[in-house]
Amino acid sequence: DVKVTQSSRYLVKRTGEKVFLECVQDMDHENMFWYRQDPGLGLRLIYFSYDVKMKEKGDIPEGYSVSREKKERFSLILESASTNQTSMYLCASSLEGANTDTQYFGPGTRLTVL
Amino acid sequence: GQSLEQPSEVTAVEGAIVQINCTYQTSGFYGLSWYQQHDGGAPTFLSYNALDGLEETGRFSSFLSRSDSYGYLLLQELQMKDSASYFCAVHGGQNFVFGPGTRLSVLP
Repeated sequence: DVKVTQSSRYLVKRTGEKVFLECVQDMDHENMFWYRQDPGLGLRLIYFSYDVKMKEKGDIPEGYSVSREKKERFSLILESASTNQTSMYLCASSLEGANTDTQYFGPGTRLTVL
Repeated sequence: GQSLEQPSEVTAVEGAIVQINCTYQTSGFYGLSWYQQHDGGAPTFLSYNALDGLEETGRFSSFLSRSDSYGYLLLQELQMKDSASYFCAVHGGQNFVFGPGTRLSVLP
């Protein structure tokens, strides 16, 4: 089974802090994604990566950056956390070239910014 | 812009059949996926349609009409455990876009 793990289930930070959210997948997937999920808005793509050291902006990249130094690890960085970044953050991975486009999600990190 | 629309809530009784519709407007299109998410859980993949027509997987089926930019998820023989949120998602080539989700409540 594909396993996607995220470093924390719950996180509380203060406005202005730098926040790191880590995601690791164990299935050698090329593609990795970061989403945030808010009520009534579904999942919105922040950043994604198709390969090591490669990144592409999603729909809402402002205020975020990412890092992919190793194939299995994709990190989301909030350079200076703000209250409007309080949300559920979901990481996902998928296999490049797969004809079903299946994304495997981690359990999520619920981030609260005070 | 890119957008997907789905009903916000659907209610049905055990054993019934329910259809959740999804219309999309995206700049590119490779396929339409459906995901299930239980409260407090992660989204899990249900089905994927790249071509027009019906795909059946057990009690769940998914349909796509690319000319109408429309798809649906059909759930048969509903069970209580099917109570969850269901999301459609479009792989638009350079991006993935999810719908806002449909909350399905199955009543006894």
